[in-house]
Amino acid sequence: DTGVSQDPRHKITKRGQNVTFRCDPISEHNRLYWYRQTLGQGPEFLTYFQNEAQLEKSRLLSDRFSAERPKGSFSTLEIQRTEQGDSAMYLCASSLFSTGELFFGEGSRLTVL
Amino acid sequence: AQTVTQSQPEMSVQEAETVTLSCTYDTSESDYYLFWYKQPPSRQMILVIRQEAYKQQNATENRFSVNFQKAAKSFSLKISDSQLGDAAMYFCAYINDSGYALNFGKGTSLLVTP
Repeated sequence: DTGVSQDPRHKITKRGQNVTFRCDPISEHNRLYWYRQTLGQGPEFLTYFQNEAQLEKSRLLSDRFSAERPKGSFSTLEIQRTEQGDSAMYLCASSLFSTGELFFGEGSRLTVL
Repeated sequence: AQTVTQSQPEMSVQEAETVTLSCTYDTSESDYYLFWYKQPPSRQMILVIRQEAYKQQNATENRFSVNFQKAAKSFSLKISDSQLGDAAMYFCAYINDSGYALNFGKGTSLLVTP
């Protein structure tokens, strides 16, 4: 079991560019979550998948954000037309149960110049 | 909406001493779960301890224990015999029984001094 992996670990981009992050959850976990964390804050929920179905999206997730989990395995989070306010750590986590332990990846840090 | 409040942005403890991190939450639910997660610098977040609200007994995991006061909606974490490796951000989190995602507090940064 290799845990939750995220790629890339760091991304620097210019305002207006599109970026995509990938998350590979623990293989037997059917639940996958994306969170955003800014400096000095706790993780904020963005979206949640159960298998391939995206069941919840936060109001924080503007139309520029889209997430997919094809075939219920890995997931991608795309941010279109990035803004400086998108600069944050994007965390992926997976679990077997919603009330059980979340297993986090190391995060993908986005810097928008 | 459920909110989780951690009123201590930073705490400091000497090695081998005991420290308590505070957490309060707001909910109208009766069935829920509470968590403490640890986030070491530049490393992923890991679960420290989990408490089910219907259980009156406080959860313990080795040097880590909680003081769960359901009526007061308080869930503090006690770290005994603190070690240098305990230095990290600690996040309190909540989810109700029908919820889908954890709701986190802002975190407490714990510094452990030799």
